[in-house]
Amino acid sequence: DAGVTQSPTHLIKTRGQQVTLRCSPKSGHDTVSWYQQALGQGPQFIFQYYEEEERQRGNFPDRFSGHQFPNYSSELNVNALLLGDSALYLCASSLGLAGFRSAYEQYFGPGTRLTVT
Amino acid sequence: GENVEQHPSTLSVQEGDSAVIKCTYSDSASNYFPWYKQELGKRPQLIIDIRSNVGEKKDQRIAVTLNKTAKHFSLHITETQPEDSAVYFCAAYISGAGSYQLTFGKGTKLSVIP
Repeated sequence: DAGVTQSPTHLIKTRGQQVTLRCSPKSGHDTVSWYQQALGQGPQFIFQYYEEEERQRGNFPDRFSGHQFPNYSSELNVNALLLGDSALYLCASSLGLAGFRSAYEQYFGPGTRLTVT
Repeated sequence: GENVEQHPSTLSVQEGDSAVIKCTYSDSASNYFPWYKQELGKRPQLIIDIRSNVGEKKDQRIAVTLNKTAKHFSLHITETQPEDSAVYFCAAYISGAGSYQLTFGKGTKLSVIP
């Protein structure tokens, strides 16, 4: 049973550049949520995708955008990178939306460590 | 929006002792409260969770309690072992209107001293 996978593992970018991070959900899951985890902090919700649509968004600027593909995998794009975007980006998958037991449980991938210089 | 406060930020206990981590949340609509364990350089792993219609849940050495009136919930680890050393995060979940969002606390670094 494949767990949540993310790529790449590490990434170094320069201010102003753009980056794309990728996530494949756990087998059988159809919902993907993205989180930003700064050093020493808890994960912060960026947005969530279900049925190829952004369903909910946290307090992040429009520089952060995403996409979900028909196979449920997802991408996170960040434009015009700032130094403050340096963080661990986590993807979490779950099954369905609210109202079902399994929809609450989110399983995290290993993350992508983004460093902006 | 939801706000989750977590205390303490660091906790050191002797092996075999108990550890308690406490969280409070602000939104009374929150109805699901998971706890995650994150070891250094690894992904957060779900260790236990509780729904709003339950006051307590136990899984071997780990238990979680929920007080909806006071809007706080706690993680209890008994008979701590060195492998329990990690950062623990509480979270609160609001569900409704076909979508949901997890809000995390800032984490507690637990050190179990052999």
